[in-house]
Amino acid sequence: DTEVTQTPKHLVMGMTNKKSLKCEQHMGHRAMYWYKQKAKKPPELMFVYSYEKLSINESVPSRFSPECPNSSLLNLHLHALQPEDSALYLCASSQPDSPHQPQHFGDGTRLSIL
Amino acid sequence: GDSVTQMEGPVTLSEEAFLTINCTYTATGYPSLFWYVQYPGEGLQLLLKATKADDKGSNKGFEATYRKETTSFHLEKGSVQVSDSAVYFCALTTSNTGNQFYFGTGTSLTVIP
Repeated sequence: DTEVTQTPKHLVMGMTNKKSLKCEQHMGHRAMYWYKQKAKKPPELMFVYSYEKLSINESVPSRFSPECPNSSLLNLHLHALQPEDSALYLCASSQPDSPHQPQHFGDGTRLSIL
Repeated sequence: GDSVTQMEGPVTLSEEAFLTINCTYTATGYPSLFWYVQYPGEGLQLLLKATKADDKGSNKGFEATYRKETTSFHLEKGSVQVSDSAVYFCALTTSNTGNQFYFGTGTSLTVIP
């Protein structure tokens, strides 16, 4: 069982839709991450929140909008996505400022853009 | 900069064969090293880690030793099972990278009965 929970597991949306991905962890971690993963490729970092503040934005298009309402929750708001945005979106968490600690991943949301 | 170079796949082995997946790294700071495994349809799971030179991480029969002299962290298992079929990622983080992880390209392993 993963300790990072992501919903929904699957999402199909049109290019004009607005949807949100959700991530929750109860491990007391204060760093949370969004990654995009294409098939058979490594995860690509999108955003990092540290102590609920956005600390890294890897030049992600504005059609992806992250939000960290509190230390346990992380959202990714989606709007006007493109077909190339179809991918597995992974959330992860860790203790910030602790380089020896691993990141813990959820099972991801598989997103398909029609 | 910091990076991980991982053995290209895919790798196909018969059950009970010996497995090695090579991983080498470049780091500007003092790295911690990790192996993650991703089973089909799932997220990444931490398999093992090592935080200082000569440390050996081990889990589920898998082992990897942090070799500073060769900047390597090769993954090994003495006898693979069909259930080990997955994609394996080597990763590092350092005190210089903030909270960022650097992942290798991944190695797909298929074990056939």
